[in-house]
Amino acid sequence: DAGVIQSPRHEVTEMGQEVTLRCKPISGHDYLFWYRQTMMRGLELLIYFNNNVPIDDSGMPEDRFSAKMPNASFSTLKIQPSEPRDSAVYFCASSSRGLANYGYTFGSGTRLTVV
Amino acid sequence: GENVEQHPSTLSVQEGDSAVIKCTYSDSASNYFPWYKQELGKRPQLIIDIRSNVGEKKDQRIAVTLNKTAKHFSLHITETQPEDSAVYFCAASRGLTGGGNKLTFGTGTQLKVEL
Repeated sequence: DAGVIQSPRHEVTEMGQEVTLRCKPISGHDYLFWYRQTMMRGLELLIYFNNNVPIDDSGMPEDRFSAKMPNASFSTLKIQPSEPRDSAVYFCASSSRGLANYGYTFGSGTRLTVV
Repeated sequence: GENVEQHPSTLSVQEGDSAVIKCTYSDSASNYFPWYKQELGKRPQLIIDIRSNVGEKKDQRIAVTLNKTAKHFSLHITETQPEDSAVYFCAASRGLTGGGNKLTFGTGTQLKVEL
């Protein structure tokens, strides 16, 4: 298994531009999570999906952030318009309902820099 | 919601010594407690986890203990090696009994193992 795949690995964009981050979870995993990591705030949960349905989006900072999961193998996190304070590493993670594995597998992350 | 506190924020030990990182949680319904290791520029990776029906779990040089009454859990690393240098995160969730295994993370401990 290739693990959780995120793209792009790095993104540099200008303030006001739209940014789309992508994630492919591990096949068979039915939970998908988007986290943001910064020095100041650590690892923050933004939103998570179960069987492609958004369950909890209370961590989404504001309306500029949106996330979708059109099918079991793909999710996007979109920021429009982007702002410098959105600069962070964004991680996608997936997990399974199976008893053997409660733990998340994280993707490699997308380092976003908004200038 | 759940709140996880982690101490210390930085820890420096000599190679071969033991390291202990402590976390407390607030939600008495939490029943799953994983630990993640994150090397610089890399993704967090699960190193060990414990469920609330167990008081201690060991895997080679690492062990985790859980005190449900006091709502705290700890990571113990023995015979530390330079490759143990990383940031360690604790986390807590209700597992699959509720909340869809939404993990709340501690703020991280930067462990440095000196030669």
